[in-house]
Amino acid sequence: NAGVTQTPKFQVLKTGQSMTLQCAQDMNHEYMSWYRQDPGMGLRLIHYSVGAGITDQGEVPNGYNVSRSTTEDFPLRLLSAAPSQTSVYFCASRPLAGAPPYEQYFGPGTRLTVT
Amino acid sequence: AQKVTQAQTEISVVEKEDVTLDCVYETRDTTYYLFWYKQPPSGELVFLIRRNSFDEQNEISGRYSWNFQKSTSSFNFTITASQVVDSAVYFCALSEQGRGADGLTFGKGTHLIIQP
Repeated sequence: NAGVTQTPKFQVLKTGQSMTLQCAQDMNHEYMSWYRQDPGMGLRLIHYSVGAGITDQGEVPNGYNVSRSTTEDFPLRLLSAAPSQTSVYFCASRPLAGAPPYEQYFGPGTRLTVT
Repeated sequence: AQKVTQAQTEISVVEKEDVTLDCVYETRDTTYYLFWYKQPPSGELVFLIRRNSFDEQNEISGRYSWNFQKSTSSFNFTITASQVVDSAVYFCALSEQGRGADGLTFGKGTHLIIQP
């Protein structure tokens, strides 16, 4: 199993550009989520999904869109990048949404810089 | 609302010393889960432990131990005989039973520096 994979590892965008951060998992996990990590802030939840076709907002959803068309993939879209979205983005997954929350498996992260 | 506080922003010790990382949490739920994650300089997040609110037994895993005390809402992490490889940022996190689908609430992390 590859676990949780994220692409790209690094990305530089100009303000106003759009892009999609890719996330895939091969563990057949129902639950997937996106976090952002900023210095001194810990990780904060952006969006999450409990299964294909179901998504919901986390703590900091503004400026981001998500969709979940398959169990495996959970892309994060930035429609119009802003410097405030400069951060490290982590995708995570875990089995059995709704059951006791087992540990989440995190991807390696995507470092995004918006100039 | 749930909240996790890691008051120690940075700790620096000399190798072989013992070090304790503090974690204090707030929750209104009676059923909840606490986690510790390690983030080494390479950047990935490594799961260390999960503890549910009904299990207050302390846990030891090699040089790592965890002290869970519901009376003080704390879930502290101790590294015994620290090593340079323990240098990392450590995160404490909380997930409530009823909000399990909403993900984890993380503390801001403690940067642990082990000097040789």
